[in-house]
Amino acid sequence: SQTIHQWPATLVQPVGSPLSLECTVEGTSNPNLYWYRQAAGRGLQLLFYSVGIGQISSEVPQNLSASRPQDRQFILSSKKLLLSDSGFYLCAWAGGAFTDQPQHFGDGTRLSIL
Amino acid sequence: GESVGLHLPTLSVQEGDNSIINCAYSNSASDYFIWYKQESGKGPQFIIDIRSNMDKRQGQRVTVLLNKTVKHLSLQIAATQPGDSAVYFCAVLRNSGYALNFGKGTSLLVTP
Repeated sequence: SQTIHQWPATLVQPVGSPLSLECTVEGTSNPNLYWYRQAAGRGLQLLFYSVGIGQISSEVPQNLSASRPQDRQFILSSKKLLLSDSGFYLCAWAGGAFTDQPQHFGDGTRLSIL
Repeated sequence: GESVGLHLPTLSVQEGDNSIINCAYSNSASDYFIWYKQESGKGPQFIIDIRSNMDKRQGQRVTVLLNKTVKHLSLQIAATQPGDSAVYFCAVLRNSGYALNFGKGTSLLVTP
């Protein structure tokens, strides 16, 4: 069966510091991969998605970036964090062959910026 | 644009009653819909999906109804249990494919 791993589960970072969040998927190949942010009490905002290695689509202009160095690895990065980057970051995967497939989520990273 | 909205941000039901959570979408060409459940501190969990060629789909204690005429989607939970307390999101596949648009979520509270 397929599993998705995100780490770390929680992270506290100072303003201006860099960020690297990692997500890996097991048990499937060529998945579509997604990064979302969820503010407290709010819905999910799509940040980036990828349909293949090195292919990144950005949804919202901001100081975050994403990379997909391997088929089942998706990384969310920032060179300099802002206070507004605080939130709950979720990675998700979906079967790549067909678009009408549900996305499956990891358990997220709670990021607090001080 | 393609927007997704829920009618009620919170819903309180008694244990054993049936729950109905509603969702509206804007794009009449939408053809794939999903309901998720999110418990506190966790990622959303897939509950059930439905394609536009169907009006109704049933799972274990859950039913999704799709009314394409009024662009409305609902999730029905039978015999609601305390473990059903969570935030429920509907999601709609974009016409461009690959990505989903999520509603803001309904918080379901089950009281004894």
